[in-house]
Amino acid sequence: DAKTTQPNSMESNEEEPVHLPCNHSTISGTDYIHWYRQLPSQGPEYVIHGLTSNVNNRMASLAIAEDRKSSTLILHRATLRDAAVYYCTPDDKIIFGKGTRLHILP
Amino acid sequence: DTGVSQNPRHKITKRGQNVTFRCDPISEHNRLYWYRQTLGQGPEFLTYFQNEAQLEKSRLLSDRFSAERPKGSFSTLEIQRTEQGDSAMYLCASSFSVWSPEAFFGQGTRLTVV
Repeated sequence: DAKTTQPNSMESNEEEPVHLPCNHSTISGTDYIHWYRQLPSQGPEYVIHGLTSNVNNRMASLAIAEDRKSSTLILHRATLRDAAVYYCTPDDKIIFGKGTRLHILP
Repeated sequence: DTGVSQNPRHKITKRGQNVTFRCDPISEHNRLYWYRQTLGQGPEFLTYFQNEAQLEKSRLLSDRFSAERPKGSFSTLEIQRTEQGDSAMYLCASSFSVWSPEAFFGQGTRLTVV
């Protein structure tokens, strides 16, 4: 299974962009990179996934390094509702690591 | 289809009893995943299925844990001879396929072993 490294926590001001990094240097060549988040007292929620190219959806953007050993989840304009634990998972089993707890300051 | 359904939502059992949880995935979702989550920790992967085939069992926490998906639709997770350390939230998720990997999670079953 691919190993991931994410910061334990990050802080951002409301309405500012947030860049959440993830290192996954042992990723296999064919596995998607997934990002999920878990809001307090809720189950995990899908955010975005990608393989090689950068991806955008209504929630976020995903920037994938050319060697695929790292990726960055970008929240373009953070709101208080984005405060959650964010997990990257670079395999099809969707194995969660420790994630990054994102705090949003009003 | 209203999403992934898990039953029961809450279960209180005495130590030593067996418990079984059910997960109904989203219709036509081929992949089904089970996780355990304890307070303050991330979801811990237990096992997953592609249709009726269980693709990995090695992360089930002990031989007291087993999972089935007999017809490739709903799945059950059984814990035999429950222990207090089994108290946790058990989460189920489903996705359409490895090429459409967006997984949807159920509300979970909260197990309390007394």
